[in-house]
Amino acid sequence: DTAVSQTPKYLVTQMGNDKSIKCEQNLGHDTMYWYKQDSKKFLKIMFSYNNKELIINETVPNRFSPKSPDKAHLNLHINSLELGDSAVYFCASSLEGKNIQYFGAGTRLSVL
Amino acid sequence: LAKTTQPISMDSYEGQEVNITCSHNNIATNDYITWYQQFPSQGPRFIIQGYKTKVTNEVASLFIPADRKSSTLSLPRVSLSDTAVYYCLVATNAGKSTFGDGTTLTVKP
Repeated sequence: DTAVSQTPKYLVTQMGNDKSIKCEQNLGHDTMYWYKQDSKKFLKIMFSYNNKELIINETVPNRFSPKSPDKAHLNLHINSLELGDSAVYFCASSLEGKNIQYFGAGTRLSVL
Repeated sequence: LAKTTQPISMDSYEGQEVNITCSHNNIATNDYITWYQQFPSQGPRFIIQGYKTKVTNEVASLFIPADRKSSTLSLPRVSLSDTAVYYCLVATNAGKSTFGDGTTLTVKP
């Protein structure tokens, strides 16, 4: 039983395309996150979202948008992909007010 | 957001105790200190969390001095499988936490 699952695990696409990464958690958590980890291994939070508030890191381009159909899902949509978007994207979840996050296995995005 | 500073890398040998220190001089009163472990090609995994003094679980111990401006993650008797990147986070809630650069621990036979 995977607690936080992401699909796809690998995504290779051309510049200018639009793509989505899906995330689902079965932990009953109410807050979900997206992180970007670049080639230097720096983990940067992109979004945190619960049913009350979407917090966006101001450095994230508006080509990136989170979509949450329900509490258990937070998908990441990326428009007009650029070479610099190549990275590993991690989804995570936690209980509101708790500091412990549970991460998915990551999606490796390669933009050609 | 409290900024954290950790050593970039550390080397150790199997069976040794490893201590990784994290500095967080501007920690706020309500901030908790949380450590994560990340193996290659995996997401970070929660190890331990504390607020003050000492916390111990089956994996590690966390030492926090009275001023809380630093913390030390202690891994007893490391093995090769403990080779990973270790991150220290300081935040009141997860949504406001920032991962630092992490410490790459390499355990040698």
